[in-house]
Amino acid sequence: AQSVTQLDSHVSVSEGTPVLLRCNYSSSYSPSLFWYVQHPNKGLQLLLKYTSAATLVKGINGFEAEFKKSETSFHLTKPSAHMSDAAEYFCVVSMAAGNKLTFGGGTRVLVKP
Amino acid sequence: NAGVMQNPRHLVRRRGQEARLRCSPMKGHSHVYWYRQLPEEGLKFMVYLQKENIIDESGMPKERFSAEFPKEGPSILRIQQVVRGDSAAYFCASSQTGDLANTGELFFGEGSRLTVL
Repeated sequence: AQSVTQLDSHVSVSEGTPVLLRCNYSSSYSPSLFWYVQHPNKGLQLLLKYTSAATLVKGINGFEAEFKKSETSFHLTKPSAHMSDAAEYFCVVSMAAGNKLTFGGGTRVLVKP
Repeated sequence: NAGVMQNPRHLVRRRGQEARLRCSPMKGHSHVYWYRQLPEEGLKFMVYLQKENIIDESGMPKERFSAEFPKEGPSILRIQQVVRGDSAAYFCASSQTGDLANTGELFFGEGSRLTVL
């Protein structure tokens, strides 16, 4: 079985300050991990993915995430938040060679001017 | 460069009516997935289809819900005799391969928001 927990349902940051979105997973197999972003009334867009290569993964729009097996974590960070980063972010896990993604509950990011 | 197209974007039904949601995958994609998003929750997998085949329907409710992906035309998610609890956003996604763990990229539509009165 696989599951993913996003530790914060809401995160509020000021523009220009760092963003940290926390994600912990459990998986019986070597997981693949992803972060997706959803802007209001839009579909989801892939930010980045980890598939057992480098543990530090760089994505679009300045985001990156680090896979830490010992902590079963895959936290998403960005050094400087922009107003356009206001959205909901989903951490996602997939089993090796799987065709099903399991989504976390989401973290809604608010960016204050 | 059309992405995944879903229609209708918004659908209102009264209890007991039927809802039909359509999804056209990206060009060249033969794998279609349906997810449901309840208010304030993440996406929950419902069903995975390839052309003319249901591959995995482990997330589908046992009654009233069905899905198809015919040889020609869009994939359709059908909900019969809707109830208020069916109110949600239904997202369709497509991929070029079924091995999401490695290719990992699902391309999502903008969703169909069903409201049951």
